[in-house]
Amino acid sequence: GNSVTQMEGPVTLSEEAFLTINCTYTATGYPSLFWYVQYPGEGLQLLLKATKADDKGSNKGFEATYRKETTSFHLEKGSVQVSDSAVYFCALSSYSSASKIIFGSGTRLSIRP
Amino acid sequence: KAGVTQTPRYLIKTRGQQVTLSCSPISGHRSVSWYQQTPGQGLQFLFEYFSETQRNKGNFPGRFSGRQFSNSRSEMNVSTLELGDSALYLCASSLDGSSYNSPLHFGNGTRLTVT
Repeated sequence: GNSVTQMEGPVTLSEEAFLTINCTYTATGYPSLFWYVQYPGEGLQLLLKATKADDKGSNKGFEATYRKETTSFHLEKGSVQVSDSAVYFCALSSYSSASKIIFGSGTRLSIRP
Repeated sequence: KAGVTQTPRYLIKTRGQQVTLSCSPISGHRSVSWYQQTPGQGLQFLFEYFSETQRNKGNFPGRFSGRQFSNSRSEMNVSTLELGDSALYLCASSLDGSSYNSPLHFGNGTRLTVT
């Protein structure tokens, strides 16, 4: 079945450091890929998405590129801020089960001032 | 535009009891999905409703059920509560859920504690 694997956390970085959170997936066909973010005490918010191979999703300085050859969708940001501290979830949905989104286990990110 | 609203925010129940959680989707959204979030299992899909019909279901026992009303509001019910049901229950809405390009909008969740 479909699945998402993302790097274990927590990840702790200093402000202005470069961020990468790895995400790989297993799916049949051509899934859509998403990154969601969860701030403390809140639900998840869509951060960015990509719907086909080689698409790049971007938002708030975060980027991720849909790589079909490596089945990956790694999240990157060039210079993180304290306000980026949150839990990040990689996710996919497939055409065959469009309403059922499969989430990775989440990666907690903490940024030191 | 108001976001997804879940009530109540917190619930404490005893084993064996039942509980009902409520979710009001974003106006115009017709698809409502429910997820269970726990530290050990992460986010797990419970079910999805569209136009008052359950369209998709995860791998949860029959004690977990839901419904959707004509105004798209949704409720989920858990009967015969177990300690392992303690979790954050998240509701998410989307325009129609049938397009795999339609992102989910989440509520802030209901924190259920079973003692």
